[in-house]
Amino acid sequence: GQQVMQIPQYQHVQEGEDFTTYCNSSTTLSNIQWYKQRPGGHPVFLIQLVKSGEVKKQKRLTFQFGEAKKNSSLHITATQTTDVGTYFCAGRDNNDMRFGAGTRLTVKP
Amino acid sequence: EPEVTQTPSHQVTQMGQEVILRCVPISNHLYFYWYRQILGQKVEFLVSFYNNEISEKSEIFDDQFSVERPDGSNFTLKIRSTKLEDSAMYFCASRPSPLSYEQYFGPGTRLTVT
Repeated sequence: GQQVMQIPQYQHVQEGEDFTTYCNSSTTLSNIQWYKQRPGGHPVFLIQLVKSGEVKKQKRLTFQFGEAKKNSSLHITATQTTDVGTYFCAGRDNNDMRFGAGTRLTVKP
Repeated sequence: EPEVTQTPSHQVTQMGQEVILRCVPISNHLYFYWYRQILGQKVEFLVSFYNNEISEKSEIFDDQFSVERPDGSNFTLKIRSTKLEDSAMYFCASRPSPLSYEQYFGPGTRLTVT
């Protein structure tokens, strides 16, 4: 079945540094979603990507969907302490929606 | 701002007992979901519900699970005979329409099976 791998598992950065998390699927995806979960909180939807090669931006966040629609990335420019949390990707193929294990981001002020 | 609500926030039950987790999705939303998250692990999709029937379910959602929308506001997840490994946070989510991809998650119910 579909597997969604996400790396790295943890990332600790100094405030102001950039951060990237990567998501890879074993199957071609119809779409991919990204979520943020603060410690002790619930997932909050960030964005959905559908088209091959799609790039979307939300302020300091840049989301990419690979040309083959099997990988995706989330890049945060100049991290802030408010960016702390776990970032999950969730990929959908024809049958399943599966979440990656998440990347836990901590930011040192 | 409308929110998805879930009750109870924490449920403790003995192995073999039945539990019902309750959710009130955002009014006028059409799609409803249950997810679970074992402590420290990833979110796992359980089931989606649309037009009063299950539209998709994962391999986790076996015969011991069921969902219902008993009235116009509640959406419930029933676990018939709980096992220790059912201990997790259960999140309900809703989505407004086919054209909107954003799912709104509730705060979750922490289920502890002893």
